Amino acid sequence: AQKITQTQPGMFVQEKEAVTLDCTYDTSDPSYGLFWYKQPSSGEMIFLIYQGSYDQQNATEGRYSLNFQKARKSANLVISASQLGDSAMYFCAMRVPNDYKLSFGAGTTVTVRA
Amino acid sequence: NAGVTQTPKFRILKIGQSMTLQCTQDMNHNYMYWYRQDPGMGLKLIYYSVGAGITDKGEVPNGYNVSRSTTEDFPLRLELAAPSQTSVYFCASSDWDGRTYEQYFGPGTRLTVT
Repeated sequence: AQKITQTQPGMFVQEKEAVTLDCTYDTSDPSYGLFWYKQPSSGEMIFLIYQGSYDQQNATEGRYSLNFQKARKSANLVISASQLGDSAMYFCAMRVPNDYKLSFGAGTTVTVRA
Repeated sequence: NAGVTQTPKFRILKIGQSMTLQCTQDMNHNYMYWYRQDPGMGLKLIYYSVGAGITDKGEVPNGYNVSRSTTEDFPLRLELAAPSQTSVYFCASSDWDGRTYEQYFGPGTRLTVT
């Protein structure tokens, strides 16, 4: 079974600063995909970034980057230059082949202060 | 494209009542999912489908039923509503896009059972 752990229930960050959200995972499958989603207070789930287990480089999407450390089984999300609109809950999720569903972590709430 | 649509957005049920949450996607995705999200928690998989006519249980299927008669539609049925089913319900769909099985989420249905 796959497991995703997010140990930071809530974080505060100053506007324009960077913030790192932790995510560790556990799977015995050598092939897997890691996803980060954002859930603002309005409730929708917004896809942010994806990292495949065989990707040679860390994924980046605009101000989002993924610090992927395969040996440590961690996939931390880095948000650079935080904006007030980044205040939301962030979920890490994993998918393995032939198991079509995503396994989600408990989430981390980020509050950006002006 | 509308993506994934869900109806209703909000619903209040009395204990023992039944209802169907509707989900439709227009992306011709083979895979569809139902998740529930309890307050302050991550998403838990209720049921999923890998194609029309095929459904399977997720982590928390008790009290729910699904059907998948077409590629587009994946309704979730609650037969005898209980307070424990008070939650936000998300429908999602996915398919191979050449790199990932990114899941696209609907806006959610907020259900209260009293």
